[in-house]
Amino acid sequence: DAGVTQSPTHLIKTRGQQVTLRCSPKSGHDTVSWYQQALGQGPQFIFQYYEEEERQRGNFPDRFSGHQFPNYSSELNVNALLLGDSALYLCASSSRGRSVQYFGPGTRLTVT
Amino acid sequence: KQEVTQIPAALSVPEGENLVLNCSFTDSAIYNLQWFRQDPGKGLTSLLLIQSSQREQTSGRLNASLDKSSGRSTLYIAASQPGDSATYLCAVKANAGGTSYGKLTFGQGTILTVHP
Repeated sequence: DAGVTQSPTHLIKTRGQQVTLRCSPKSGHDTVSWYQQALGQGPQFIFQYYEEEERQRGNFPDRFSGHQFPNYSSELNVNALLLGDSALYLCASSSRGRSVQYFGPGTRLTVT
Repeated sequence: KQEVTQIPAALSVPEGENLVLNCSFTDSAIYNLQWFRQDPGKGLTSLLLIQSSQREQTSGRLNASLDKSSGRSTLYIAASQPGDSATYLCAVKANAGGTSYGKLTFGQGTILTVHP
């Protein structure tokens, strides 16, 4: 059983560019959450998707947007990249009615 | 606003020692609390989850306790090994109307080093 997968593993972008990160949830899971983890910090909640809708959002600007597809996979889009967006982006999936969130390996984004 | 604090920020111990990691949170209206392990540059591995109605959970050499009224949790690691070296994070989930949905709020983690 494949766990949560994320792509790409690493990404280098220039300030002002746009980026799309992808996540496939664990089999049987229908809810996807995205987190940003800066170096030396705990992860910060960006947003959560269920039934293809954003259900909850953390304190992130509108430059951060997402999407969930009918097969429950998800994308995180970040526009107008800033140096401060450099971080490890983590995707977590869970199943309705169950509390445990399973995390993927993350995408390391570097903005230069 | 929920805030989670972990103490100590870093801990270095010799192999074989028993140790305790601490986590405190400001809002006691939580749905559950979860302890994670993170190896450098990697994702998070769930270690233990404690529901708000529970007092503790055990898995192998790990034991986590929860005192919701005082806003505290501890992770006890018995007979530590060099392979236990990692960052340990605790996270709380808000009680979103009694549902399992909702964000996790993380502490900054405790960096554990176990030396031979």
